[in-house]
Amino acid sequence: AQTVTQSQPEMSVQEAETVTLSCTYDTSESDYYLFWYKQPPSRQMILVIRQEAYKQQNATENRFSVNFQKAAKSFSLKISDSQLGDAAMYFCALGGYNKLIFGAGTRLAVHP
Amino acid sequence: DTGVSQDPRHKITKRGQNVTFRCDPISEHNRLYWYRQTLGQGPEFLTYFQNEAQLEKSRLLSDRFSAERPKGSFSTLEIQRTEQGDSAMYLCASSLDYDTVDTEAFFGQGTRLTVV
Repeated sequence: AQTVTQSQPEMSVQEAETVTLSCTYDTSESDYYLFWYKQPPSRQMILVIRQEAYKQQNATENRFSVNFQKAAKSFSLKISDSQLGDAAMYFCALGGYNKLIFGAGTRLAVHP
Repeated sequence: DTGVSQDPRHKITKRGQNVTFRCDPISEHNRLYWYRQTLGQGPEFLTYFQNEAQLEKSRLLSDRFSAERPKGSFSTLEIQRTEQGDSAMYLCASSLDYDTVDTEAFFGQGTRLTVV
């Protein structure tokens, strides 16, 4: 079975600071992707960043980067220079050919 | 095209009633997914279509649930004889049908169902 675990229900960060959200996963597949999705309050989920499992280089998208540790099955998200607009639920997801498996999410609060 | 749209955004129904939700995917996307999200949890996969064919259904999709995508465009999700446990956000997503695992799914804003 494929599982995704996010052990931090809530996190907070000061504006302009850096925060890291944790995610671990389990899968027996050799070919998969990992994703971080952002879900602002009352708005649709949007993709933040993705990582190909066969690539060792960590993905980066502007202020967002990941630390992908394949052997440890760990996939954390680092947000640098946090902004008020980053406040949202963040979901880690494991992607195969047919569907996404999501973690329970981490609620991120950003304080001015 | 403004993205994935879902209708209605909110639905309150009495226990035992039937409800139907609609999802309009991004026009060129031939994959369409339904997920259910309860409070404080991540979305859980329910089912997906490739064009008009329903290719996978989760065990979460009891026999009271049925989904269709008759012409490979919009999709409907019907819940018969609703129960209080059906209260949740129902999310629709669509993607292109690449032959890789990297098919970014675009989500709608969801339909929030409350069964009273």
